[in-house]
Amino acid sequence: DGGITQSPKYLFRKEGQNVTLSCEQNLNHDAMYWYRQDPGQGLRLIYYSQIVNDFQKGDIAEGYSVSREKKESFPLTVTSAQKNPTAFYLCATRGGSTNEKLFFGSGTQLSVL
Amino acid sequence: GNSVTQMEGPVTLSEEAFLTINCTYTATGYPSLFWYVQYPGEGLQLLLKATKADDKGSNKGFEATYRKETTSFHLEKGSVQVSDSAVYFCALRLYSGGGADGLTFGKGTHLIIQP
Repeated sequence: DGGITQSPKYLFRKEGQNVTLSCEQNLNHDAMYWYRQDPGQGLRLIYYSQIVNDFQKGDIAEGYSVSREKKESFPLTVTSAQKNPTAFYLCATRGGSTNEKLFFGSGTQLSVL
Repeated sequence: GNSVTQMEGPVTLSEEAFLTINCTYTATGYPSLFWYVQYPGEGLQLLLKATKADDKGSNKGFEATYRKETTSFHLEKGSVQVSDSAVYFCALRLYSGGGADGLTFGKGTHLIIQP
């Protein structure tokens, strides 16, 4: 079954704790993205990666980190420096420079305890 | 900079009503335009797209026409169903050969269809 798998679906973070959100894809897509969704705010880009071992900051990268060691995986770490981490996090992929369609995972809801 | 403006929700309609969700954009070039739909607790799915002026995107009874003269891409459906209840996002992509591909989303419009 092809697609994008995000886990966990719900995640709780204690103050001062780092947490990692998983994003795995078997679509063989080069580009991967992390978006943050807040109510009434739309989607904002956190980080993106256009190829393995390379990634770039998006519009709101502060307090987050990523890695892209494998084509299939693009994990996002929410660090303790992110003071307002409660949001719905979406991972997306895209197949190539001429392919404009984004494929989205089902998201992870992160909440602060 | 590039931006997308959508009508604020929630938009509440009765089943079989006519739907319009307004979307206008500003861009420093000639973008591709998209409508994405998000059902509760899920990620976004591409609903339709248009890549140049006067193109009409259509899918599942929804339509939107790329209007360069009014910089608009309004979403319409002639007869909505309860299953159309979701959040709808208008978006643009302005590929400049680098960076994050310039994908910009509107804030989303929550559509509620009552039986």
